[in-house]
Amino acid sequence: DQQVKQNSPSLSVQEGRISILNCDYTNSMFDYFLWYKKYPAEGPTFLISISSIKDKNEDGRFTVFLNKSAKHLSLHIVPSQPGDSAVYFCAASEGWGQNFVFGPGTRLSVLP
Amino acid sequence: NAGVTQTPKFQVLKTGQSMTLQCAQDMNHNSMYWYRQDPGMGLRLIYYSASEGTTDKGEVPNGYNVSRLNKREFSLRLESAAPSQTSVYFCASSENGRAIDTQYFGPGTRLTVL
Repeated sequence: DQQVKQNSPSLSVQEGRISILNCDYTNSMFDYFLWYKKYPAEGPTFLISISSIKDKNEDGRFTVFLNKSAKHLSLHIVPSQPGDSAVYFCAASEGWGQNFVFGPGTRLSVLP
Repeated sequence: NAGVTQTPKFQVLKTGQSMTLQCAQDMNHNSMYWYRQDPGMGLRLIYYSASEGTTDKGEVPNGYNVSRLNKREFSLRLESAAPSQTSVYFCASSENGRAIDTQYFGPGTRLTVL
């Protein structure tokens, strides 16, 4: 049973609009959450993270929101750019270490 | 500064053959990781090395062995490859293996087992 779910395999958005990528988790012990971005034929690159003591973290065009009661997090990209077209993975961990559990990914296409 | 490098980029094996995937990092990181990525699934941790001289099993260790050769290098060995091991393999490293440390990934090795 997947502990981290990304129920939308793909998402298309117009350039300049907001992209919202969603992630749900089942393990209430997860306390650190990350988003990674992956281009074809490359390894994932870290995008943004959030600790369970916060409900929002912002870095430039990227904002991650965490709703612990709903076990849900989302990544907002504003404004979306064609270079944002990639696969986005949500990941979660419990405790001190990096034993991350990854979601299956959402492919974002930003259309010019 | 190359970051995390992996060799080979592509490999085709026959069932039962063995091979070693190589990974090296030049960031003086203590922790290193091996993941596999299969279609429709996220990355799954195979083995990790929290520091030089230590290795631990991750979520899917069966069929694999690892060696932390030194601080820079962490290799993954398939002793007798099976079609179920067809996947893309990623190596990663982080400074100290804490959740807050950024993991840096290599470009991946695409392995096909016939």
